[in-house]
Order: sequence, then C-alpha cells, then structure tokens
Amino acid sequence: SQQGEEDPQALSIQEGENATMNCSYKTSINNLQWYRQNSGRGLVHLILIRSNEREKHSGRLRVTLDTSKKSSSLLITASRAADTASYFCATTGVEYGNKLVFGAGTILRVKS
Amino acid sequence: DGGITQSPKYLFRKEGQNVTLSCEQNLNHDAMYWYRQDPGQGLRLIYYSQIVNDFQKGDIAEGYSVSREKKESFPLTVTSAQKNPTAFYLCASSDRLADYYNEQFFGPGTRLTVL
Repeated sequence: SQQGEEDPQALSIQEGENATMNCSYKTSINNLQWYRQNSGRGLVHLILIRSNEREKHSGRLRVTLDTSKKSSSLLITASRAADTASYFCATTGVEYGNKLVFGAGTILRVKS
Repeated sequence: DGGITQSPKYLFRKEGQNVTLSCEQNLNHDAMYWYRQDPGQGLRLIYYSQIVNDFQKGDIAEGYSVSREKKESFPLTVTSAQKNPTAFYLCASSDRLADYYNEQFFGPGTRLTVL
C-alpha cells in the first residue's frame, strides 16, 4: 500500500535557490513526517507535523499541512549542494494501523 | 554512540539459499521494523515488532521471516521462497508503535544481490 505520493519525482536547482516538494495522501492521518535519504544510505528524520498543525519550521526547512486537501509541502530555503538527496513523506493513521507509510520520494539535485 | 547498526553492508546470495540480515539497536526502543526499498518505489514494510517475542507481518512478508528474542536485536531472514530478493533492506526502530507521534531511526541498510 502506498499512502503518500510526492511531486515532483525529480527536481534540479541551483545552489542558493529554494526547493519545494509536495506530498499528497489518501486517507486521514495522525501525523506526517519528512525524511531525507542520501544515496545508498539510511533515512534521516527531518520534521514531524501533527494533523492539528498547519506549519512547522526547523532551520532552513518549512513544512505545511493542509488536511482539507490531504497535502503537505516541504520547503528548503537557500539550498546547498549537501541538500542533494531523496526526500520522502510518510504518514501515520488509523487506517494503516498507525504504522508509517512512505511515498515514492522526490530526488533533489542541487547544482553548485 | 546510540544508534542502529546493520550488517553486512553488502550481501550476495545464490538462488535457493537463505540469508540472514542483522539489525541491532542500543536506543532502548521497543518497536523495530524491516523495510524493503526498490528503485522508484519508496519503502515497503516487511515485518515489525512492538515488543520482545512478538512480531507482525507488514505489507510484503511473504518469503521473509524474523525473530525478536532480545529487545536490541531484530534479524531478518530472506528465504529461498522470496522470488525477487535483490533490493536494499532498511531496519528502523522507534519508542513505541502505539505512540504514533514518534519518529523512526534508521540503520545504514544492507544491499542484497542474488547471483
């Protein structure tokens, strides 16, 4: 089962630009999380936003959640070459037994 | 250092062989998970365990088996019944499955290739 779908599938930007990735999901959720994966590595948790929250910030990251549209966005400001990675959204909800369900991810490439 | 370790990093298997992937955590987490990652498909849940001596099937459990004899260890066996085992396998842990607000911590992964 795949709850979340990221958009775009791939994104290429210049260093210093902002990167925006979107995630849409199908059923009601308890929370939505964003993870980063460098090539060939494990995932690293970036940020968690609860279903009753609309926006969260962490350093250069800004996450928004619109439960009426069943969508979330991850904004990375002033991107760096080190931000090059795959980014995944993952949701938890009663329908999936409160387990994390991952989307297919967005591949971000930041060119220096 | 606290964290999750997986071994080996690379594993090669001949057809018909069973292989076991190791996952150890020293975070004192109750819940542990195994995921499979194929190119372009994100992560899919194989098995998970909320407590010692208990585990449940995930979405793609066929051809896999697990055990949870110790809190810190959750090995995954890829059996010969798994017809397409070549993939990247990730182990994760979290405080409690029931507390759905918790993040998961991931190991570095094991890349399994069938020869």
